[in-house]
Amino acid sequence: EAGVTQFPSHSVIEKGQTVTLRCDPISGHDNLYWYRRVMGKEIKFLLHFVKESKQDESGMPNNRFLAERTGGTYSTLKVQPAELEDSGVYFCASSQVAYEQYFGPGTRLTVT
Amino acid sequence: GNSVTQMEGPVTLSEEAFLTINCTYTATGYPSLFWYVQYPGEGLQLLLKATKADDKGSNKGFEATYRKETTSFHLEKGSVQVSDSAVYFCALVNINFGNEKLTFGTGTRLTIIP
Repeated sequence: EAGVTQFPSHSVIEKGQTVTLRCDPISGHDNLYWYRRVMGKEIKFLLHFVKESKQDESGMPNNRFLAERTGGTYSTLKVQPAELEDSGVYFCASSQVAYEQYFGPGTRLTVT
Repeated sequence: GNSVTQMEGPVTLSEEAFLTINCTYTATGYPSLFWYVQYPGEGLQLLLKATKADDKGSNKGFEATYRKETTSFHLEKGSVQVSDSAVYFCALVNINFGNEKLTFGTGTRLTIIP
């Protein structure tokens, strides 16, 4: 069974540009989560989808971040326009139950 | 709100040494507790979990016991190997309070020297 995949693995963009991160969850997992780790600090929750609906987006830092989950399958996280403080590693996870979240390898975003 | 405090790193040990990485938490009710591990160049992997007080999670020689009286979930291994070098994250989820988001500690980088 394929695990959670994320694309790209690393992205370097300039301040003000737009970046779109993609996450493909494990097939059949209704729950999809986005997290990020900034500057070696703790990993922080961004939002949670159940199928195509946003269940909890309390962790989204501001309106420059837009997450979508098309047809309850893959998800994208768009940052527009990117700021320096958005640099970090963005993790996606999927699950059938909350206490079994499976994580992808992460996307390292560098904003210069 | 929920929070997790874990031992600051980095931690460097010799092979076959005993490992303890401390983790304490703050949460209402009865959260489920986890240790995740991130090996170099890889994503987060669930190492072990415990879902109720006094449960002991174990995997790959690592153990952690859910201690509600001390709100702790310390990670231990009796004899570490070079392959255990990684970043370890303590985390909790408080499903009973209507949310499924994991709350993580800051991570502890462990390096094992041959």
